[in-house]
Amino acid sequence: AQTVTQSQPEMSVQEAETVTLSCTYDTSENNYYLFWYKQPPSRQMILVIRQEAYKQQNATENRFSVNFQKAAKSFSLKISDSQLGDTAMYFCAFDDYGGATNKLIFGTGTLLAVQP
Amino acid sequence: DVKVTQSSRYLVKRTGEKVFLECVQDMDHENMFWYRQDPGLGLRLIYFSYDVKMKEKGDIPEGYSVSREKKERFSLILESASTNQTSMYLCASSSPGRGTEAFFGQGTRLTVV
Repeated sequence: AQTVTQSQPEMSVQEAETVTLSCTYDTSENNYYLFWYKQPPSRQMILVIRQEAYKQQNATENRFSVNFQKAAKSFSLKISDSQLGDTAMYFCAFDDYGGATNKLIFGTGTLLAVQP
Repeated sequence: DVKVTQSSRYLVKRTGEKVFLECVQDMDHENMFWYRQDPGLGLRLIYFSYDVKMKEKGDIPEGYSVSREKKERFSLILESASTNQTSMYLCASSSPGRGTEAFFGQGTRLTVV
């Protein structure tokens, strides 16, 4: 079974600085997708970034980028130029595709606080 | 603007009550999910559905059931609410296929007293 581990329950960063959130996972599959989702205090969960395992290039979305190390099964999220609006719970997730449907397996989350 | 709407943001129920949590999506998604979110445990899948009237158990289905009579609506039912079901419940929907984005509702914080 696939598992996702986030070892940092809480992190703090100063505004405008860079922070990296860690995620490791375990799977026997070769092709899969990984995600980072953000849940701000408003509770509305939104997709931050997505990575396909077959793609060598790390995904980027504006200030958000990932460091995907397939052999190490590591998928970290880097937030550059942190902003107050980045304060949120961040979840790493694995796309568990079973043929009929796909479902997300989540880590336990990292609560990020951006300090002014 | 795509939407997943949960019927209540906050809910307080008594032990033993039958509780219905409703979720509606307007994106014509085949997949719908119910997750439970608890501090330190992340999101855990309760049930999911990949078609009308189809349902599959997730990781923690005990004490819950679901209903999907129409494509846009997915209901979570607590047959006899217990205090250990006090939690945040999140509904989500997605299109079928690998790597598709899941869209979430705003969550229902349920307290069972």
